[in-house]
Amino acid sequence: GENVEQHPSTLSVQEGDSAVIKCTYSDSASNYFPWYKQELGKRPQLIIDIRSNVGEKKDQRIAVTLNKTAKHFSLHITETQPEDSAVYFCAAPGEKLTFGTGTRLTIIP
Amino acid sequence: EAQVTQNPRYLITVTGKKLTVTCSQNMNHEYMSWYRQDPGLGLRQIYYSMNVEVTDKGDVPEGYKVSRKEKRNFPLILESPSPNQTSLYFCASSLYQRGIQETQYFGPGTRLLVL
Repeated sequence: GENVEQHPSTLSVQEGDSAVIKCTYSDSASNYFPWYKQELGKRPQLIIDIRSNVGEKKDQRIAVTLNKTAKHFSLHITETQPEDSAVYFCAAPGEKLTFGTGTRLTIIP
Repeated sequence: EAQVTQNPRYLITVTGKKLTVTCSQNMNHEYMSWYRQDPGLGLRQIYYSMNVEVTDKGDVPEGYKVSRKEKRNFPLILESPSPNQTSLYFCASSLYQRGIQETQYFGPGTRLLVL
Protein backbone atom coordinates (compact mmCIF):
# COMPACT_ATOMS: atom_id res chain seq x y z
CA GLY A 1 0.00 0.00 0.00
CA GLU A 2 0.88 3.66 -0.14
CA ASN A 3 3.37 4.99 2.40
CA VAL A 4 3.28 8.72 3.18
CA GLU A 5 5.84 10.48 5.34
CA GLN A 6 5.30 14.05 6.49
CA HIS A 7 7.86 16.41 8.02
CA PRO A 8 8.25 18.21 10.31
CA SER A 9 5.80 17.05 12.95
CA THR A 10 5.84 20.48 14.62
CA LEU A 11 6.79 23.86 13.22
CA SER A 12 6.86 27.28 14.84
CA VAL A 13 7.37 30.39 12.75
CA GLN A 14 7.25 34.09 13.44
CA GLU A 15 4.20 35.87 12.11
CA GLY A 16 4.93 37.15 8.62
CA ASP A 17 7.56 34.50 7.88
CA SER A 18 7.07 31.51 5.58
CA ALA A 19 6.34 27.90 6.49
CA VAL A 20 7.10 24.80 4.44
CA ILE A 21 5.81 21.29 5.08
CA LYS A 22 6.97 18.33 3.02
CA CYS A 23 5.51 14.94 2.24
CA THR A 24 7.01 11.97 0.44
CA TYR A 25 5.01 9.12 -1.02
CA SER A 26 5.80 5.68 -2.35
CA ASP A 27 3.25 4.84 -5.05
CA SER A 28 4.42 6.26 -8.36
CA ALA A 29 0.90 5.82 -9.75
CA SER A 30 -0.46 8.51 -7.42
CA ASN A 31 -1.59 11.56 -9.36
CA TYR A 32 -3.64 13.65 -6.95
CA PHE A 33 -2.12 15.31 -3.89
CA PRO A 34 -4.31 17.24 -1.45
CA TRP A 35 -3.49 19.20 1.68
CA TYR A 36 -5.93 19.48 4.56
CA LYS A 37 -6.02 21.93 7.45
CA GLN A 38 -7.48 21.01 10.81
CA GLU A 39 -8.09 23.77 13.32
CA LEU A 40 -8.38 22.91 16.98
CA GLY A 41 -11.57 20.99 17.69
CA LYS A 42 -12.70 21.01 14.08
CA ARG A 43 -12.80 18.65 11.14
CA PRO A 44 -10.07 18.53 8.46
CA GLN A 45 -10.82 20.66 5.42
CA LEU A 46 -9.15 20.79 2.03
CA ILE A 47 -7.06 23.92 1.48
CA ILE A 48 -5.28 23.14 -1.77
CA ASP A 49 -4.58 20.22 -4.06
CA ILE A 50 -2.46 19.47 -7.11
CA ARG A 51 -2.61 16.95 -9.90
CA SER A 52 0.42 15.31 -11.40
CA ASN A 53 0.21 17.14 -14.71
CA VAL A 54 1.39 20.38 -13.07
CA GLY A 55 4.41 21.16 -10.91
CA GLU A 56 3.01 24.02 -8.86
CA LYS A 57 -0.31 25.51 -7.86
CA LYS A 58 -0.90 28.72 -5.96
CA ASP A 59 -3.88 30.16 -4.13
CA GLN A 60 -3.15 33.52 -2.52
CA ARG A 61 -0.65 32.85 0.31
CA ILE A 62 -0.73 29.08 -0.11
CA ALA A 63 1.12 27.06 -2.73
CA VAL A 64 1.82 23.41 -3.36
CA THR A 65 4.75 22.09 -5.37
CA LEU A 66 5.13 18.59 -6.74
CA ASN A 67 8.24 16.69 -7.72
CA LYS A 68 7.09 13.39 -9.24
CA THR A 69 10.60 12.18 -9.92
CA ALA A 70 11.59 12.49 -6.28
CA LYS A 71 8.07 11.55 -5.13
CA HIS A 72 7.54 14.47 -2.84
CA PHE A 73 5.19 17.41 -2.61
CA SER A 74 5.31 20.43 -0.34
CA LEU A 75 2.96 22.99 1.14
CA HIS A 76 4.22 26.57 1.25
CA ILE A 77 2.52 29.27 3.32
CA THR A 78 3.84 32.79 2.90
CA GLU A 79 3.26 35.87 5.08
CA THR A 80 1.94 33.66 7.86
CA GLN A 81 -0.82 34.94 10.11
CA PRO A 82 -2.10 33.74 13.51
CA GLU A 83 -5.10 32.06 11.85
CA ASP A 84 -2.69 29.77 10.01
CA SER A 85 -2.02 28.00 13.32
CA ALA A 86 -3.46 24.49 12.87
CA VAL A 87 -2.52 20.92 12.06
CA TYR A 88 -1.84 20.27 8.38
CA PHE A 89 -2.15 16.88 6.69
CA CYS A 90 -1.01 15.72 3.30
CA ALA A 91 -2.60 12.72 1.61
CA ALA A 92 -1.78 10.36 -1.20
CA PRO A 93 -4.95 8.79 -2.55
CA GLY A 94 -5.09 5.35 -4.01
CA GLU A 95 -7.94 2.91 -3.43
CA LYS A 96 -7.10 3.37 0.25
CA LEU A 97 -6.53 6.96 1.18
CA THR A 98 -3.35 7.43 3.22
CA PHE A 99 -2.73 10.56 5.25
CA GLY A 100 0.53 11.83 6.60
CA THR A 101 0.86 12.00 10.38
CA GLY A 102 0.31 15.75 10.42
CA THR A 103 2.30 18.92 11.14
CA ARG A 104 1.31 21.17 14.00
CA LEU A 105 2.05 24.71 12.82
CA THR A 106 2.22 27.48 15.40
CA ILE A 107 2.46 31.10 14.34
CA ILE A 108 4.20 33.25 16.93
CA PRO A 109 2.79 36.80 17.06
CA GLU B 1 -26.44 22.44 2.15
CA ALA B 2 -23.89 19.80 1.13
CA GLN B 3 -22.69 18.04 4.22
CA VAL B 4 -21.61 14.92 6.07
CA THR B 5 -23.32 14.29 9.38
CA GLN B 6 -22.33 11.98 12.20
CA ASN B 7 -24.15 10.92 15.33
CA PRO B 8 -23.58 10.94 18.18
CA ARG B 9 -20.95 13.65 18.53
CA TYR B 10 -19.87 12.46 21.97
CA LEU B 11 -20.24 9.03 23.50
CA ILE B 12 -19.13 7.45 26.76
CA THR B 13 -19.65 3.72 27.01
CA VAL B 14 -18.34 0.66 28.82
CA THR B 15 -16.26 -2.22 27.57
CA GLY B 16 -18.26 -4.77 25.62
CA LYS B 17 -21.42 -2.74 25.04
CA LYS B 18 -22.18 -2.70 21.32
CA LEU B 19 -22.50 0.70 19.71
CA THR B 20 -23.12 2.23 16.30
CA VAL B 21 -21.97 5.59 15.00
CA THR B 22 -24.03 6.77 12.06
CA CYS B 23 -22.73 8.68 9.05
CA SER B 24 -24.76 10.21 6.28
CA GLN B 25 -23.92 12.37 3.26
CA ASN B 26 -26.20 14.25 0.88
CA MET B 27 -23.74 14.79 -2.00
CA ASN B 28 -24.35 11.50 -3.84
CA HIS B 29 -20.71 10.54 -3.29
CA GLU B 30 -19.60 7.04 -4.19
CA TYR B 31 -16.67 6.85 -1.77
CA MET B 32 -17.15 6.86 1.99
CA SER B 33 -14.71 6.04 4.73
CA TRP B 34 -14.09 6.04 8.45
CA TYR B 35 -10.95 7.32 10.18
CA ARG B 36 -9.76 7.41 13.71
CA GLN B 37 -7.53 10.21 14.93
CA ASP B 38 -5.15 9.70 17.81
CA PRO B 39 -2.42 12.08 19.04
CA GLY B 40 0.78 11.70 17.04
CA LEU B 41 -0.74 9.13 14.68
CA GLY B 42 -2.67 11.36 12.32
CA LEU B 43 -5.74 10.07 10.50
CA ARG B 44 -5.83 6.33 10.06
CA GLN B 45 -8.36 4.72 7.78
CA ILE B 46 -10.54 2.04 9.39
CA TYR B 47 -12.82 0.97 6.53
CA TYR B 48 -13.82 2.38 3.20
CA SER B 49 -16.53 1.82 0.62
CA MET B 50 -16.36 2.59 -3.07
CA ASN B 51 -20.07 2.11 -3.62
CA VAL B 52 -23.21 0.41 -2.31
CA GLU B 53 -22.54 -3.10 -0.99
CA VAL B 54 -18.79 -2.67 -1.55
CA THR B 55 -16.66 -2.30 1.58
CA ASP B 56 -13.00 -2.92 2.29
CA LYS B 57 -10.56 -2.81 5.16
CA GLY B 58 -8.36 0.19 5.72
CA ASP B 59 -5.23 0.23 7.83
CA VAL B 60 -6.79 -0.39 11.26
CA PRO B 61 -9.99 -2.46 10.80
CA GLU B 62 -9.70 -4.75 13.84
CA GLY B 63 -12.66 -4.45 16.19
CA TYR B 64 -14.85 -2.54 13.72
CA LYS B 65 -17.56 -3.38 11.22
CA VAL B 66 -19.29 -1.31 8.57
CA SER B 67 -22.11 -1.67 6.09
CA ARG B 68 -23.16 0.21 2.96
CA LYS B 69 -26.75 -0.69 2.17
CA GLU B 70 -27.56 2.75 0.78
CA LYS B 71 -25.34 5.23 -0.99
CA ARG B 72 -25.84 7.99 1.56
CA ASN B 73 -25.24 6.00 4.79
CA PHE B 74 -22.14 4.31 6.14
CA PRO B 75 -22.50 3.31 9.81
CA LEU B 76 -19.55 2.23 11.94
CA ILE B 77 -20.24 -0.61 14.35
CA LEU B 78 -18.21 -1.57 17.39
CA GLU B 79 -19.52 -4.99 18.42
CA SER B 80 -17.54 -5.18 21.65
CA PRO B 81 -15.77 -1.90 22.35
CA SER B 82 -12.51 -1.90 24.28
CA PRO B 83 -10.60 0.98 25.92
CA ASN B 84 -8.06 1.07 23.07
CA GLN B 85 -10.87 2.19 20.79
CA THR B 86 -11.16 5.42 22.71
CA SER B 87 -10.51 7.97 19.98
CA LEU B 88 -11.86 10.71 17.76
CA TYR B 89 -13.67 9.26 14.76
CA PHE B 90 -14.32 10.97 11.44
CA CYS B 91 -16.52 9.87 8.61
CA ALA B 92 -15.76 11.28 5.16
CA SER B 93 -17.13 11.09 1.65
CA SER B 94 -15.89 12.00 -1.81
CA LEU B 95 -16.42 11.51 -5.47
CA TYR B 96 -14.54 8.53 -6.84
CA GLN B 97 -13.25 8.89 -10.38
CA ARG B 98 -10.69 6.85 -12.29
CA GLY B 99 -9.52 5.11 -9.15
CA ILE B 100 -8.95 8.32 -7.21
CA GLN B 101 -10.94 9.81 -4.38
CA GLU B 102 -11.44 13.50 -4.97
CA THR B 103 -11.77 16.05 -2.18
CA GLN B 104 -12.67 14.38 1.11
CA TYR B 105 -15.57 16.01 2.96
CA PHE B 106 -15.38 15.20 6.64
CA GLY B 107 -18.12 14.91 9.19
CA PRO B 108 -17.85 16.86 12.46
CA GLY B 109 -16.30 13.95 14.35
CA THR B 110 -17.42 11.63 17.13
CA ARG B 111 -15.44 11.59 20.35
CA LEU B 112 -15.68 8.13 21.92
CA LEU B 113 -14.57 7.15 25.41
CA VAL B 114 -14.65 3.46 26.33
CA LEU B 115 -14.33 2.78 30.05
